[in-house]
Amino acid sequence: EVQLVESGGGLVQPGGSLRLSCAASGFSFSNHAMSWVRQAPGKGLQWLSYITTGGDNIFYADSVKGRFTISRDNANNSLYLQMDSLRAEDSALYYCARASDYRPHGMDVWGQGTTVTVSS
Amino acid sequence: SYELTQPPSVSVSPGQTARITCSGHQLGDKYVCWYQQRPGQSPVLVMYQDSKRPSGISERFSGSNSGNTATLTISGTQSMDEADYYCQAWDSSTGDFGGGTKLTVL
Repeated sequence: EVQLVESGGGLVQPGGSLRLSCAASGFSFSNHAMSWVRQAPGKGLQWLSYITTGGDNIFYADSVKGRFTISRDNANNSLYLQMDSLRAEDSALYYCARASDYRPHGMDVWGQGTTVTVSS
Repeated sequence: SYELTQPPSVSVSPGQTARITCSGHQLGDKYVCWYQQRPGQSPVLVMYQDSKRPSGISERFSGSNSGNTATLTISGTQSMDEADYYCQAWDSSTGDFGGGTKLTVL
């Protein structure tokens, strides 16, 4: 079964850091680009970051550029999102999603998400 | 970033055709994807590259993109189609989503 499982969410104080992980299974992880997308409670989807198969091309939304870092470990079928300088507005459900090096192909597999709450 | 605009809500009667639009500057020059999100569930890709359906997506779903507007069309709308729908397009290095459209099947 093709599956993505996010972990690492939790409660963190403003200005703090958190590292999210996404474990992939059931497909060849190294052959797929990956993305992170978040959704604040009651709000829409917000694309955050994208990384190609080899990690040589990485993109970020303006809202997280300089604070968040995407990375991947193809040997361990894992995707990561290091989140620093967290703000209250970063509170959301964070999804990892399988993408393609050809971006118009979209994100065809999504995890269930991990919740991040930034609050004092 | 690239701004995509969707109507907040669309209503349709069962069996009728629903059309959900997504507008952006020269959007027709870009490829658009559409995602369906039912309450409490993760998003599902229902259309990519403007008009291509992923495996397992009903033929009732179709897509088009021209000028400044992309459209997701759902024919013979069913109660199971009631969900939020999001368009997404890539503008060089950002993959922004539209604000989402809540489809209500009355």
